[in-house]
Amino acid sequence: EDQVTQSPEALRLQEGESSSLNCSYTVSGLRGLFWYRQDPGKGPEFLFTLYSAGEEKEKERLKATLTKKESFLHITAPKPEDSATYLCAVQGAQKLVFGQGTRLTINP
Amino acid sequence: GAGVSQSPRYKVAKRGQDVALRCDPISGHVSLFWYQQALGQGPEFLTYFQNEAQLDKSGLPSDRFFAERPEGSVSTLKIQRTQQEDSAVYLCASSSTGYEQFFGPGTRLTVL
Repeated sequence: EDQVTQSPEALRLQEGESSSLNCSYTVSGLRGLFWYRQDPGKGPEFLFTLYSAGEEKEKERLKATLTKKESFLHITAPKPEDSATYLCAVQGAQKLVFGQGTRLTINP
Repeated sequence: GAGVSQSPRYKVAKRGQDVALRCDPISGHVSLFWYQQALGQGPEFLTYFQNEAQLDKSGLPSDRFFAERPEGSVSTLKIQRTQQEDSAVYLCASSSTGYEQFFGPGTRLTVL
């Protein structure tokens, strides 16, 4: 059974303090690993897709990396508007399996 | 362009009532997915359509849950005889490729 575990569950940072979120996964036949951002009361917003180990993608202050067992979402010099829940998901067959998310708070 | 829309955004039902939740996918998206999200958890897969065909309904928690997409566009998730444990946010997503899914804002269902 495909599984995704995200850590930490919650992370509080000061503005400008860089850090990383972890997503550990087990999946039979990885077709893609996805990162989403979710703000309170809204649906998940697509950020990145990673397809194979060694792949990296960047968008503004975010960079996602992928190994055979885990993915990291690195956030560099975060701003308060980066506060949200970050969700990781893996796709094996058709079904997307999500982790429970990391709730990130950036204090000004 | 327009994203995925869902209606209603909020629904309060008395235990035992039937509810219907609507999803309008991004125009032209062949794949449509329904998820259930409990408070503080990630979304959990319910069912998947490719055009009008329901290809996977393995995540539907009971036979009280039913989904349809008769013309391959708009989809409806119906829950019969609602129970308190059905309270959650129901998310719809659509995709042109079956991989990158784009989510709607969700319907928050509260069963009293």
